[in-house]
Amino acid sequence: AQKVTQAQTEISVVEKEDVTLDCVYETRDTTYYLFWYKQPPSGELVFLIRRNSFDEQNEISGRYSWNFQKSTSSFNFTITASQVVDSAVYFCALSEVTGANNLFFGTGTRLTVIP
Amino acid sequence: EAGVAQSPRYKIIEKRQSVAFWCNPISGHATLYWYQQILGQGPKLLIQFQNNGVVDDSQLPKDRFSAERLKGVDSTLKIQPAKLEDSAVYLCASSLGTSGSLETQYFGPGTRLLVL
Repeated sequence: AQKVTQAQTEISVVEKEDVTLDCVYETRDTTYYLFWYKQPPSGELVFLIRRNSFDEQNEISGRYSWNFQKSTSSFNFTITASQVVDSAVYFCALSEVTGANNLFFGTGTRLTVIP
Repeated sequence: EAGVAQSPRYKIIEKRQSVAFWCNPISGHATLYWYQQILGQGPKLLIQFQNNGVVDDSQLPKDRFSAERLKGVDSTLKIQPAKLEDSAVYLCASSLGTSGSLETQYFGPGTRLLVL
């Protein structure tokens, strides 16, 4: 069975600090996709990144970076030099090739960036 | 490109009443999803359509929830009768093709339902 764990319920950082959001997943599939979504107070889920199970290359996009390690079943997300606009709930999600593209979400991490 | 549209944004009803939510996906997206997000939790899939056919409705409480996507474009999710535990945000998402797990889902702003 699939499972996504985001152990950090809430994190607070001071502006310009770096912060890492953890995501650990479980799946029996060898082919799967991992996602990060951002949910600001407005409620809409904003897509940030998708990574397939065969691509362990880390990715950097501006202040965002992602570290995918199959050996530890983790897909962690780091924000460098955090800003107040980064305050949101961040969700990690898993999609399995046998699962009809259904997304299984973690419980989310609420990030608060203090000015 | 316009995103996923949903209406209404907020709805307050009393238990045992009925309610309907509407979703219009991104133009050209074949697959449409409805998720339920209870406060403090991640979204949970209720139903997935590919064009106007149901792919997965295993998590839909069919005794009270129904959904349709008659012309393969917009969709309606209905709850009848509503229960207190249905209070949640109902999110609609769409993805481009029908190729299973290769697709990224794009979400609408959601409808926040409060059942009193």
